[in-house]
Amino acid sequence: QVQLVESGGGLVKPGGSLRLSCAGSGFTFSDYFMSWIRQAPGKGLEWVSYISRSGSTIYYADSVKGRFTISRDNAKNSLYLQMNSLRAEDTAVYYCARTAAVTWSFYYFDYWGQGTRVTVSS
Amino acid sequence: SYELTQPPSVSVSPGQTASITCSGDKLGDKYASWYQQKPGQSPVLVIHQDSKRPSGIPERFSGSNSGNTATLTISGTQAMDEADYYCQAWDSSGVFGTGTKVTVL
Repeated sequence: QVQLVESGGGLVKPGGSLRLSCAGSGFTFSDYFMSWIRQAPGKGLEWVSYISRSGSTIYYADSVKGRFTISRDNAKNSLYLQMNSLRAEDTAVYYCARTAAVTWSFYYFDYWGQGTRVTVSS
Repeated sequence: SYELTQPPSVSVSPGQTASITCSGDKLGDKYASWYQQKPGQSPVLVIHQDSKRPSGIPERFSGSNSGNTATLTISGTQAMDEADYYCQAWDSSGVFGTGTKVTVL
């Protein structure tokens, strides 16, 4: 069965950095697009970033552009999110999600991990 | 940036039909997906490509999308359907709706 397991969350001071990881199993990781989605405490879902199967195409939400970097290692079946210059408003549970393509311009998220919590506070 | 608006809450009696709307500019020209999230759990895909149910999702969940509005319908609502529901579309980036809390009274 499809499994996505995130790790790397924790408490970090404003301006600090954190690297999240997501390990995929139960499917051919390199065949799928992947995304990061976050949810602030008591709030709704916010899409953060997307990466294509090869890593050649990447998108970011405006709120994280220039601060976060998504990457993947298909040999290790792993997805990453490098988060720099963290702010209090980045506090959230971060989910990795397998991303299915309807066409080249429409995507949805068919499997989600359990999430990893990131808290940005002094 | 593209926005999707949902009603904050919907109440339904057990066995009745719940309808959750999702409004966005020309949403019918895009594909809508829907996710269910129960407290303390990760979201689960319940509808994709407007009206398709993933395997394992009960038939009581259905969807439609036309004009500016996508709709998730839960027929014969059960207590286990009480959850937050989010619509989602893609407009050069991922976009989620504001979320709707469904309460089964």
